Amino acid sequence: AQSVSQHNHHVILSEAASLELGCNYSYGGTVNLFWYVQYPGQHLQLLLKYFSGDPLVKGIKGFEAEFIKSKFSFNLRKPSVQWSDTAEYFCAALYGNNRLAFGKGNQVVVIP
Amino acid sequence: DGGITQSPKYLFRKEGQNVTLSCEQNLNHDAMYWYRQDPGQGLRLIYYSQIVNDFQKGDIAEGYSVSREKKESFPLTVTSAQKNPTAFYLCASSRTGTGYGYTFGSGTRLTVV
Repeated sequence: AQSVSQHNHHVILSEAASLELGCNYSYGGTVNLFWYVQYPGQHLQLLLKYFSGDPLVKGIKGFEAEFIKSKFSFNLRKPSVQWSDTAEYFCAALYGNNRLAFGKGNQVVVIP
Repeated sequence: DGGITQSPKYLFRKEGQNVTLSCEQNLNHDAMYWYRQDPGQGLRLIYYSQIVNDFQKGDIAEGYSVSREKKESFPLTVTSAQKNPTAFYLCASSRTGTGYGYTFGSGTRLTVV
């Protein structure tokens, strides 16, 4: 089955700390990968995406993600978080049947 | 500006009543999707449609129904058979084929009392 796994649903860290959120997807042939963010009270926004090419993808707000095909992973990173990064983060995989599968999300709280 | 419009933003209904959530897009996308978001569950696919007059069940279709009579519109009906209808519902659209991402609406929060 097409599925996406995210670990450590709740993450609490202080400002200026580094953030890494893990994402693993099930094998399904060609896969496009995404990270979305949902700030409190707001709708989903695209942080970054990987379709092909350079496996290190840079997104908005200083986020980046690395696609490692051998590990079926697409981990999200930010070297130094801010209070405004408090949000829920979702990893998603788009499979060949055009269905987008989401992970359960990471609730990230950044303490000032 | 092109986008997806979901209405209303908040919806309240009494238990046992059917309710229809609206989703309209002017992006000329062929495919449209309905997701349900619950805390700690991520987004789960309810129904999707790749083309007008055709749609498929997603992972949690029981208690829901959809129609796709026009390319721009993909309304979702939450029926009285849905055991836990209170949730946040998101509509999305995309071009078909790989290499395209989804565009999401701002969602409808349904509360059944």
